[in-house]
Amino acid sequence: DAGITQSPRHKVTETGTPVTLRCHQTENHRYMYWYRQDPGHGLRLIHYSYGVKDTDKGEVSDGYSVSRSKTEDFLLTLESATSSQTSVYFCAISEFRGYEQYFGPGTRLTVT
Amino acid sequence: DQQVKQNSPSLSVQEGRISILNCDYTNSMFDYFLWYKKYPAEGPTFLISISSIKDKNEDGRFTVFLNKSAKHLSLHIVPSQPGDSAVYFCAASVNNAGNMLTFGGGTRLMVKP
Repeated sequence: DAGITQSPRHKVTETGTPVTLRCHQTENHRYMYWYRQDPGHGLRLIHYSYGVKDTDKGEVSDGYSVSRSKTEDFLLTLESATSSQTSVYFCAISEFRGYEQYFGPGTRLTVT
Repeated sequence: DQQVKQNSPSLSVQEGRISILNCDYTNSMFDYFLWYKKYPAEGPTFLISISSIKDKNEDGRFTVFLNKSAKHLSLHIVPSQPGDSAVYFCAASVNNAGNMLTFGGGTRLMVKP
């Protein structure tokens, strides 16, 4: 299995508070991704990174920001959490562009 | 507008029989397709993929078929086992235009003993 960890695994927070989710990889893969999974929508891409300090928006990026200061870490920040951001968040990595991505175990976030 | 669709939210199959999961896409630029399996409380795991230059790819009990003219792919599992019970996602990408995978909504497969 690819070495991907996510922290925290579960979080409950209140509307309006900032939240940061962390993804850590030990595979030295260049590409990292953040997805959210919601019923009926599958997985939707929030942001992705193609190198240190190189990031780009995905399909559902509004309300989210990311940072990647080291190859192994990719952070997802909700500046002011809303109830619509209650979801399961998955981090993924890939070695080559456009090829298989390998997923972390997920973070279940509840915004009350 | 969903570019990748899995029209069956669930499928129930008897152990030992064939499971067929279907996926349709609308973007003719997609040239690489993947299937992922997901168990509860775990991340999706890569299962099998196919390039648009092929129409079939096989890996053990799993076979993916691609019909480009119909913009349709399917995953066949033969024989189905109870451990195959999971949610299956199909995904598609455009290899020379970025890294993004576009996922379908998923199909929950239940294999009954």
